[in-house]
Amino acid sequence: KNQVEQSPQSLIILEGKNCTLQCNYTVSPFSNLRWYKQDTGRGPVSLTIMTFSENTKSNGRYTATLDADTKQSSLHITASQLSDSASYICVVRTETGANNLFFGTGTRLTVIP
Amino acid sequence: GAGVSQSPSNKVTEKGKDVELRCDPISGHTALYWYRQSLGQGLEFLIYFQGNSAPDKSGLPSDRFSAERTGGSVSTLTIQRTQQEDSAVYLCASSTRDFSYEQYFGPGTRLTVT
Repeated sequence: KNQVEQSPQSLIILEGKNCTLQCNYTVSPFSNLRWYKQDTGRGPVSLTIMTFSENTKSNGRYTATLDADTKQSSLHITASQLSDSASYICVVRTETGANNLFFGTGTRLTVIP
Repeated sequence: GAGVSQSPSNKVTEKGKDVELRCDPISGHTALYWYRQSLGQGLEFLIYFQGNSAPDKSGLPSDRFSAERTGGSVSTLTIQRTQQEDSAVYLCASSTRDFSYEQYFGPGTRLTVT
């Protein structure tokens, strides 16, 4: 069964600290994996996209990693800011069609001063 | 440029009433998606439109749900005889048909059925 699981479900960190969010998937065949940031009351916004051959990709203070062998991805946030408070959603696409997306339930990150 | 817009942003309706939710995709995007996001749940795929092809309705939870896309642009999601379990945020996304199929999401419509 195609699934995407994220951990932790929620996380609270102090401003300036680093954190790492996890995404494990069983989706097959794999096409790409995308991390989204969703602010409260807003739609998700894409942070990074990773294909099978990519191990790491950075977008500012966000760095995503992908291990296609173990089917795991992580999103590392460095020097967190209050504006990083949001839900982070991992989405995996299969190769079998443009609408075959599998969404994780997200990690709710709260950055406190 | 303008992003995906949705209206209304919030909708409160009584059980049994019909509701219509609107989505204006990014101009030129041929693909349009509707999702439902319930509290504490992941995004749930509802329906997908691609150009002039027949829509993929495989995610619609019941025959009370329907959607149209007129002229390849604006889409309307209709929920008939609403139930309390329909309460959720309904998100619309659009994308171009390229390799990455990146979806751009609208802000969503929060539907509350009382």
